[in-house]
Amino acid sequence: GQSLEQPSEVTAVEGAIVQINCTYQTSGFYGLSWYQQHDGGAPTFLSYNALDGLEETGRFSSFLSRSDSYGYLLLQELQMKDSASYFCAVRDRDYKLSFGAGTTVTVRA
Amino acid sequence: GAVVSQHPSRVICKSGTSVKIECRSLDFQATTMFWYRQFPKKSLMLMATSNEGSKATYEQGVEKDKFLINHASLTLSTLTVTSAHPEDSSFYICSAGQDIETQYFGPGTRLLVL
Repeated sequence: GQSLEQPSEVTAVEGAIVQINCTYQTSGFYGLSWYQQHDGGAPTFLSYNALDGLEETGRFSSFLSRSDSYGYLLLQELQMKDSASYFCAVRDRDYKLSFGAGTTVTVRA
Repeated sequence: GAVVSQHPSRVICKSGTSVKIECRSLDFQATTMFWYRQFPKKSLMLMATSNEGSKATYEQGVEKDKFLINHASLTLSTLTVTSAHPEDSSFYICSAGQDIETQYFGPGTRLLVL
């Protein structure tokens, strides 16, 4: 089975940088995904890492270290609209996703 | 990104009735779709994998006779909650993947069973 850990909540001010860590224990690992979910909405895809290293997409970056079973999502130049829940998810060989419990990010003015 | 739709977005029903939720991939074909449920302030829990043209694969603890899944075409999967009870009230979300890297989620269906 899969087990993922991420912090339950993070609070930061506008313009700040937030890093959300995710550690995982898996029986089969093919990649780490990150999703954003606003209250009442569906998850939206942010990034996917299959190989070690940093992937940058605009203000958001995602990092993976397979040897450490660890990844993180970096949110830069925080904006109020970034207040949401962020989930890391491990993909297995059958394309199934196992999600972490989610990190609630609150951005303050 | 790819678009996945769900219908209905919200449904209220009486206990004992059955509810059908549709999930469609609008601009790509999906041989595999996934169904999740999510309780308030909780994570997404995978219920089953919907396979076009074959039986769905259910996760441990999910009753296949309770949650009927039909994947009749490459763009449509349906989840039917049979004989719904209040404890089935939840947010049901489907997803479909256009490639091996991404899963796109539908907007979700909020089910309330009275």
